[in-house]
Amino acid sequence: SQTIHQWPATLVQPVGSPLSLECTVEGTSNPNLYWYRQAAGRGLQLLFYSVGIGQISSEVPQNLSASRPQDRQFILSSKKLLLSDSGFYLCAWIEWGGADSPLHFGNGTRLTVT
Amino acid sequence: AQSVTQLDSQVPVFEEAPVELRCNYSSSVSVYLFWYVQYPNQGLQLLLKYLSGSTLVESINGFEAEFNKSQTSFHLRKPSVHISDTAEYFCAVSDLRDFNKFYFGSGTKLNVKP
Repeated sequence: SQTIHQWPATLVQPVGSPLSLECTVEGTSNPNLYWYRQAAGRGLQLLFYSVGIGQISSEVPQNLSASRPQDRQFILSSKKLLLSDSGFYLCAWIEWGGADSPLHFGNGTRLTVT
Repeated sequence: AQSVTQLDSQVPVFEEAPVELRCNYSSSVSVYLFWYVQYPNQGLQLLLKYLSGSTLVESINGFEAEFNKSQTSFHLRKPSVHISDTAEYFCAVSDLRDFNKFYFGSGTKLNVKP
């Protein structure tokens, strides 16, 4: 069966520090991968998605970046965090080509920038 | 781009009462529709989905949603709620013209009181 792992679960970082959040999917090949951010009291904002290794689409211009070094690995990064980067970050995947497939989410990373 | 509107940010309801969580989406073109549930500090879990066929879809825990194309709505209902249904519920749309993207509403917090 397919599983998605996301870590760390919680993170407290000072303003200006770097960030690296990792997500891996097991049990499937060539999935579409997604990073969402959920801010307090707001819905889910799509940050990045990837349809293959090295292919990244950015939905929102900001100081965050994403990379997909391996088929089932998706990394969210920042060189210098801002206070506004605080939030709940969710990784998700769907089967490649699965127009009718639902998103499957990881358990999220709670990021607090101080 | 699609937009998804969840009109109620919070819905308080007493246990065993019926509930309806409203969802409207913007486009009249073919879409797939989903409801997700999120418990505190967890990722989102798929509750139910509409792809085609019968406009009424059901989940295993008593929720149902009805697709109304003319009103571009996909409201979620349950005839009798339980304390354990307390969570945040998100409506989502997948646009068949660009199924790589999922658009989410801002969420509705369902608070079931004893």
